[in-house]
Amino acid sequence: NAGVTQTPKFQVLKTGQSMTLQCAQDMNHEYMSWYRQDPGMGLRLIHYSVGAGITDQGEVPNGYNVSRSTTEDFPLRLLSAAPSQTSVYFCASSPTTWGGGQETQYFGPGTRLLVL
Amino acid sequence: KQEVTQIPAALSVPEGENLVLNCSFTDSAIYNLQWFRQDPGKGLTSLLLIQSSQREQTSGRLNASLDKSSGRSTLYIAASQPGDSATYLCAVCPTGNQFYFGTGTSLTVIP
Repeated sequence: NAGVTQTPKFQVLKTGQSMTLQCAQDMNHEYMSWYRQDPGMGLRLIHYSVGAGITDQGEVPNGYNVSRSTTEDFPLRLLSAAPSQTSVYFCASSPTTWGGGQETQYFGPGTRLLVL
Repeated sequence: KQEVTQIPAALSVPEGENLVLNCSFTDSAIYNLQWFRQDPGKGLTSLLLIQSSQREQTSGRLNASLDKSSGRSTLYIAASQPGDSATYLCAVCPTGNQFYFGTGTSLTVIP
């Protein structure tokens, strides 16, 4: 298993440009999520999905869109990039939704995004 | 909103020492708490997960405890090694679908 993969590893954007960060997992996990990590802020949840066709907002969803058409893929779209979106983005997955289960989250290696 | 705090922010110890990392959270209504390790420029690796009904979990030289009533968790690392150098993050899951992370403790183990 490749686990959770993310592309690209690094990206530079200009303000106002759009792009999609890709995330894929080959473990047949139902739950997938996107976080951003900023210095001094810890990881913050952007959006998450509990299965194909189902998504919901996390703590910091503004400026980002997601969709989940398949179990494997969970892309994150930046509609109009802003310097405040400069960050490291992590995708994660777990076998099922939480709710007291034994599940842990598996993280991808991250995408470093710089918005000029 | 759940707030998660980790103290200290950075810690440097000589090899072989036992050490404790602290995590506190503001809302005791959680499903579970998880400790992660993050190496520079890498993703997160899960170390230990403690369910809300549990008091502690152990894996090798690592032991994590959970006291929900006081909103605290500790990660105990025995006989530290240089390979333990990394940032350690704790995260709480209050709702079943969302994680709230602390800002981490950066650990350096000096040979």
